[in-house]
Amino acid sequence: AQKVTQAQTEISVVEKEDVTLDCVYETRDTTYYLFWYKQPPSGELVFLIRRNSFDEQNEISGRYSWNFQKSTSSFNFTITASQVVDSAVYFCALINPRGNTPLVFGKGTRLSVIA
Amino acid sequence: GAVVSQHPSWVICKSGTSVKIECRSLDFQATTMFWYRQFPKQSLMLMATSNEGSKATYEQGVEKDKFLINHASLTLSTLTVTSAHPEDSSFYICSARISGTYEQYFGPGTRLTVT
Repeated sequence: AQKVTQAQTEISVVEKEDVTLDCVYETRDTTYYLFWYKQPPSGELVFLIRRNSFDEQNEISGRYSWNFQKSTSSFNFTITASQVVDSAVYFCALINPRGNTPLVFGKGTRLSVIA
Repeated sequence: GAVVSQHPSWVICKSGTSVKIECRSLDFQATTMFWYRQFPKQSLMLMATSNEGSKATYEQGVEKDKFLINHASLTLSTLTVTSAHPEDSSFYICSARISGTYEQYFGPGTRLTVT
């Protein structure tokens, strides 16, 4: 069975602080993909990143960075110098690319960035 | 590319009436579409998997007679909430998988309010 755990339900930071959102996953598959999505108050899911299980390179995109560690089954997301516009719910998700399976989502972390 | 639309984006209906929500893949074919429901401050819960030309597969606890899913073409799936009750008020999100791949793209969601 596949499972995604986001232990942090809510995080509140002051603008310009760095913040890391944790994601731990469980899967028996050797091939899988991990995702992060942002859900602003409008509700629409915004795709942020996809990482396959064979690529453990960390990635940086502007103020966003991701740390993928297979040894600890974690795929953490860091926002540097947070801004008010970063306030949203962030979901980590997992999929097995084989078979007719949907994305498995974590419960999400609600991030509030205070000015 | 890979755009998914949902219609309507929001709807208010009276208790006891039925509401149809459409999910369309605009620039790709989707053999499989997924329907999710999201209650306030909760994660996305998979309701059902919709396969073109065949019956939908419902998750445990989801009433198939209440949530009718039709996937009549490779670009359209519909979810009909029959005899809606206030507890059906929720945010409904669909996703479409590009045929032959694992890639899923999400619609913008439909906010249903039953009065």
